[in-house]
Amino acid sequence: DAGVIQSPRHEVTEMGQEVTLRCKPISGHNSLFWYRQTMMRGLELLIYFNNNVPIDDSGMPEDRFSAKMPNASFSTLKIQPSEPRDSAVYFCATDFMGGGTDTQYFGPGTRLTVL
Amino acid sequence: AQSVAQPEDQVNVAEGNPLTVKCTYSVSGNPYLFWYVQYPNRGLQFLLKYITGDNLVKGSYGFEAEFNKSQTSFHLKKPSALVSDSALYFCAVRDKNYGQNFVFGPGTRLSVLP
Repeated sequence: DAGVIQSPRHEVTEMGQEVTLRCKPISGHNSLFWYRQTMMRGLELLIYFNNNVPIDDSGMPEDRFSAKMPNASFSTLKIQPSEPRDSAVYFCATDFMGGGTDTQYFGPGTRLTVL
Repeated sequence: AQSVAQPEDQVNVAEGNPLTVKCTYSVSGNPYLFWYVQYPNRGLQFLLKYITGDNLVKGSYGFEAEFNKSQTSFHLKKPSALVSDSALYFCAVRDKNYGQNFVFGPGTRLSVLP
């Protein structure tokens, strides 16, 4: 298996622009998590899905952030409009609930820089 | 609510010496406990986990961790450190009764000096 796939790996954009981050989970995994990592705040959970349904979005910082999972093999995290304070590394992680593994597997991350 | 503490921001150890990276946790129910490692410009990689059973858990790259329920700790250990072990280490907890949400600690940067 190719593991969790994220794209793009790097994104540089200007303040006010829309940014879309993408994630393809490991095949067969039914839960997907979006995290943000910064030096100041460490690793923060933004939102997670189970069977394509958002379960907990309490970590989403504000309405500028939205996430979707239209099917079991694809998810997006969108920021509109982007701001410099959104600069961070965004990770997607997936696991299989109920399978006994209970382990999240992380993608390589997307490094976002908002100028 | 779940929480994880990693009391040391940085741990320095000489190559060949044993290493310990500390983790304490707080959950309302029974915990699932995890260690992840992050190398520069990479995602987090799973090292090991405690779900149930033997308190001493062995994982990847020669690492092990001991679950201590009375001290609510899950310290990561390795008998002989390698320079290549230098990385950022995260402890995480999940409450078995609280769904899938992981709570990660702030991370401990391990530097193994040659």
